[in-house]
Amino acid sequence: DVKVTQSSRYLVKRTGEKVFLECVQDMDHENMFWYRQDPGLGLRLIYFSYDVKMKEKGDIPEGYSVSREKKERFSLILESASTNQTSMYLCASSTPAGAEKTQYFGPGTRLLVL
Amino acid sequence: AQTVTQSQPEMSVQEAETVTLSCTYDTSESNYYLFWYKQPPSRQMILVIRQEAYKQQNATENRFSVNFQKAAKSFSLKISDSQLGDTAMYFCAFMKHAPGDDKIIFGKGTRLHILP
Repeated sequence: DVKVTQSSRYLVKRTGEKVFLECVQDMDHENMFWYRQDPGLGLRLIYFSYDVKMKEKGDIPEGYSVSREKKERFSLILESASTNQTSMYLCASSTPAGAEKTQYFGPGTRLLVL
Repeated sequence: AQTVTQSQPEMSVQEAETVTLSCTYDTSESNYYLFWYKQPPSRQMILVIRQEAYKQQNATENRFSVNFQKAAKSFSLKISDSQLGDTAMYFCAFMKHAPGDDKIIFGKGTRLHILP
């Protein structure tokens, strides 16, 4: 089974803090994604990566950056957290080579910025 | 650009009933994938069912089945004999059939309550 893990289920941070959200997958997937999920807005893509050290902006990249130094790990960074970044953050991974096209999700990190 | 629309923000049905969740999408692609994902309260998002657009046969997974109408760009999910564990947020989603492009576009979700 594919396993995608996220470093924290819940985080509370203060405005202006630098925040790191970590995601690790154990299936050697090339592709990794970061979404934020807000009520009534569904899932919105923040950033994605198709390979190590590669990154592409999604639909809402402002205020975020990412890092992918190893294939299995994809980090989301909030350089200076703001209250409007309070949200649920979901990580996902996929492989383009597989016949079963889909994304596999982590459990999510619920971030509260005070 | 592709869009996915779920017109039912919230639904409630009695246990053991059949329920249908609606989804429409817009695309100019001829081949693509459609998905239904389930997100139970405070739990992980999981794939319920996948449909490949070039396959005319509707996908089924146990109590879950879809009604895929390609010309109408409609992709509804039917849950038969609903169970309390089916209570969740359900997302309809679209992916292009493009090598290396695994981006998914999600609808805004339908919150389904199964009532005892």
